[in-house]
Amino acid sequence: DTAVSQTPKYLVTQMGNDKSIKCEQNLGHDTMYWYKQDSKKFLKIMFSYNNKELIINETVPNRFSPKSPDKAHLNLHINSLELGDSAVYFCASSLLAGITDTQYFGPGTRLTVL
Amino acid sequence: GESVGLHLPTLSVQEGDNSIINCAYSNSASDYFIWYKQESGKGPQFIIDIRSNMDKRQGQRVTVLLNKTVKHLSLQIAATQPGDSAVYFCAETEGGSYIPTFGRGTSLIVHP
Repeated sequence: DTAVSQTPKYLVTQMGNDKSIKCEQNLGHDTMYWYKQDSKKFLKIMFSYNNKELIINETVPNRFSPKSPDKAHLNLHINSLELGDSAVYFCASSLLAGITDTQYFGPGTRLTVL
Repeated sequence: GESVGLHLPTLSVQEGDNSIINCAYSNSASDYFIWYKQESGKGPQFIIDIRSNMDKRQGQRVTVLLNKTVKHLSLQIAATQPGDSAVYFCAETEGGSYIPTFGRGTSLIVHP
C-alpha cells in the first residue's frame, strides 16, 4: 500500500564500496526525484527523472548515477563511497514534472559510511 | 530556543496553542512556495503552498502568509496538537523551475 517505497531503510558500509538504493512508486506518477538530507536536516535535490529521462542533475558528483528502468522505479547507485556521503536519501515522485506538482516522499534511506 | 545538537531553530508550544513558524527566503524572483512537515523517521509531507500573486492561503488548521516585500513566509497552525510535532520546512522556486530551494527547517515541539 505504500505509495513511495525505498530499500533498504538503513545502509551501513565502508568507504570505497559501491552501493545502490532502490525506489519504487505505485502512484502512476511520471516524475521521480532523489534528495539528500544531511545531518543538519538540510534538504537538497539531487536528480529528477521524467518518463525515464533525466531532467535535473544538481551538481552531484558523477560517483552518483541514477537509473530509471521504468516510470515506477528510480534507483540510485553510488560508487566509491566517501564519508561525506553519509546522509538520509529520500526518493519522491509527482504526477507531472515541476515543483508546483505535489511531491510524495518515501520514508528515506539512512546511509552511514564508515 | 535553538536545538544545539541539530542547529535547528526550535519552537515549543502547549497543546491547543496557535503556532507560527517563520521562514526567510533568499530569492526575490521566487514565485512559488511550499511548506513541508517532516515527522521523525519519515519523509517530508506537503502541507500547503502559495503562489507569489497571493499573500495568504488557508488550509485545514493551517494558514500560510507571504510577505514579498521582506521576503518572509510564515506557517500558522491553529490549535496545535501533539501530532503536529515535527520539523517544518519551507521551499521556494522560481519561474517554473524544477529545482526547489529548501529553508533551514524549524523543529516544532508540542507539549500535551
